[in-house]
This record gives sequence, structure tokens and C-alpha cells, in this order.
Amino acid sequence: DVKVTQSSRYLVKRTGEKVFLECVQDMDHENMFWYRQDPGLGLRLIYFSYDVKMKEKGDIPEGYSVSREKKERFSLILESASTNQTSMYLCASSLEGKALHFGNGTRLTVT
Amino acid sequence: QKEVEQDPGPLSVPEGAIVSLNCTYSNSAFQYFMWYRQYSRKGPELLMYTYSSGNKEDGRFTAQVDKSSKYISLFIRDSQPSDSATYLCAPLTPGGFKTIFGAGTRLFVKA
Repeated sequence: DVKVTQSSRYLVKRTGEKVFLECVQDMDHENMFWYRQDPGLGLRLIYFSYDVKMKEKGDIPEGYSVSREKKERFSLILESASTNQTSMYLCASSLEGKALHFGNGTRLTVT
Repeated sequence: QKEVEQDPGPLSVPEGAIVSLNCTYSNSAFQYFMWYRQYSRKGPELLMYTYSSGNKEDGRFTAQVDKSSKYISLFIRDSQPSDSATYLCAPLTPGGFKTIFGAGTRLFVKA
């Protein structure tokens, strides 16, 4: 079974802090994704990566950046956290792009 | 207009009922249509997917796509309390890399 692990289940940060969300997958998948999930809005794609050191903007990249130094690890960075970035963050990986394998999410609260 | 529209519910049914979950979409170029199931405090997991128009059956679940009306359905027969979850319809963009998610329908199956 594919395992996608997100380092924190719950995180509370202050406005203006730099925040790192970490994600590791164990199935040698090329593709990795960061989504945020908000009530009524569903999942929205922030960034994705189809190879090490490669990254592409998703639909809502503003205020975020990513890092993929190793194939198994994909990090989401909030450069200066704001209250409107309070959300559930979901990391996913895939082999061919069709089936996404998700982690259990990080619920981030920015106060 | 959102690319994928899905009624958020909640939908509450008695155990054993047939459940119909539906989505509409706007992009006629979509070819792959995924359904994800998300239990509370978990990440989404792929339930099943169909390619182009038609039906696909997997146990108690049937996915149906009508491309002429841009309508996607998921039917659950003999629903069980363990089916209580949020169901997300998710077409794949042409090229097969980005998944567009509906807002999700919350389903409760009462014993």
C-alpha cells in the first residue's frame, strides 16, 4: 500500500511566521501535489511537481512556495502566514497522474 | 462558473437505501472521471473511475458518466453505515495531470 505521510496533524502558527509543511511518500512516485481543502470549496491545487527539483503552479499558488529536493519528499512553504491560509492541507502522490494517494492532512490554524 | 458542481448535502438515508450522488461539469474535454471517498479526519481515497461515457460497476458501487449532458453519477446499492463519508467527484484534465475536485457531498447512512 502507498503511504503518504504528513509530518503534523495539527499546527497553530502566528500571522507573519514562516511555515513548513512536510510530506513524504514511500512508493517512488514521480508526481506529488499540495492541495488545500475548505468547506464548500472542495480541494484546490496549490502546487505540484512531476520530478525532483521541478515544480508547477496550481490554481492558487499565491502566498505559497514548494521544495522538492528528493523524490520522496515535497514541502509546502508559507512565506508569511496569514489568517486566510487557515485550512486543511493535503499532500498527494501519483504514479501516472490518475489515481491520487493522499496523506491524512495537516490542519493549520493561523492566528 | 465552477468547472465541477456538486451538491454538498448533507444527504441522510436509512441503511439499505440506494444512494445517488451527482455532479455536473463544464469542460467537454474531460475524459477520466474519478470518485474519491473521504472519511472524517482522513485524506480522500480513490473509490473508482470511469473513462469517457458509460457505466462501471464495482461491488455495490456504480459510476456513470453522460458526456452529452456533462453529468456524473455514483450509485451505492444496499448502503451501509460504513458508507457514511464525503464523496468527491473529480474529473481529470486533458493530458491527465490535474484533477479538478467537486466540493464533495456528505453522506450519512443511518442504522
